[in-house]
Amino acid sequence: DAGITQSPRHKVTETGTPVTLRCHQTENHRYMYWYRQDPGHGLRLIHYSYGVKDTDKGEVSDGYSVSRSKTEDFLLTLESATSSQTSVYFCAISDRAGGPGNEQFFGPGTRLTVL
Amino acid sequence: QQQVKQSPQSLIVQKGGISIINCAYENTAFDYFPWYQQFPGKGPALLIAIRPDVSEKKEGRFTISFNKSAKQFSLHIMDSQPGDSATYFCAALFTGAGSYQLTFGKGTKLSVIP
Repeated sequence: DAGITQSPRHKVTETGTPVTLRCHQTENHRYMYWYRQDPGHGLRLIHYSYGVKDTDKGEVSDGYSVSRSKTEDFLLTLESATSSQTSVYFCAISDRAGGPGNEQFFGPGTRLTVL
Repeated sequence: QQQVKQSPQSLIVQKGGISIINCAYENTAFDYFPWYQQFPGKGPALLIAIRPDVSEKKEGRFTISFNKSAKQFSLHIMDSQPGDSATYFCAALFTGAGSYQLTFGKGTKLSVIP
C-alpha cells in the first residue's frame, strides 16, 4: 500500500463520542486525502491537504475536521460521531496534484462503526 | 449531483469472456480518466488511465475506450480471469491549476466464474 498506514484499522464507537483516525505515510508526498466509501456511493472526498497546515474541504466535509502538522501525518476527526458516519475511510497520497503520472495511492482503510 | 455515472452495478462473466464497464460524465472540463481496481479488504489501486485526446488505450488485457463527443468511456477486460474479480471504479479529474478532486463513479462489482 505504497508506504501508507492507517490507524486504527477497525473501530466501534458510540454516537456522540469524538473519533480521530490517523494516516501516516513514508513517501514524503505533498498531497494527502481522506475519502469515505459507502455501498452505492463509491468513494467521496472528505478533506484534502496540499501541504503542512494547508487543508481544504471536499465533497462531504460536514461533521469532519482535519489537521496536518507534519508532512507524514494527516488526521481526520469526527467531533461527535453519528451513525451516518459509519463507513470505511481511506487515506490517499499523491506526489503532485492528480493527473497523468501523479496517481493517488490509497491506504488499507479504516472500518468505523458508530452505534 | 453525480458527475460520473457508472454501470452496471454488478457484473458476472464466465472465465475467458469479455467484461465491459461503462461510465458517463457531465463536466466537459474533466481531462483525465483513471480506472481503479479494488479487492476486498484493500484500498483501490490505479489500473489504467486515459486522457481525452486519444480514443483507446490498451495495457495487457485491459483497454479503455473513450468517446469524447458522447462524454462516455468504458473499460474492457479481455479473457477475464477469476483473479479479476474485484470492484472497479471509474473516475474523472480536471487537471487544471488548483484542482485535486477525483470524482468517482459508484463502482462495479465484477465476478468472474470458472
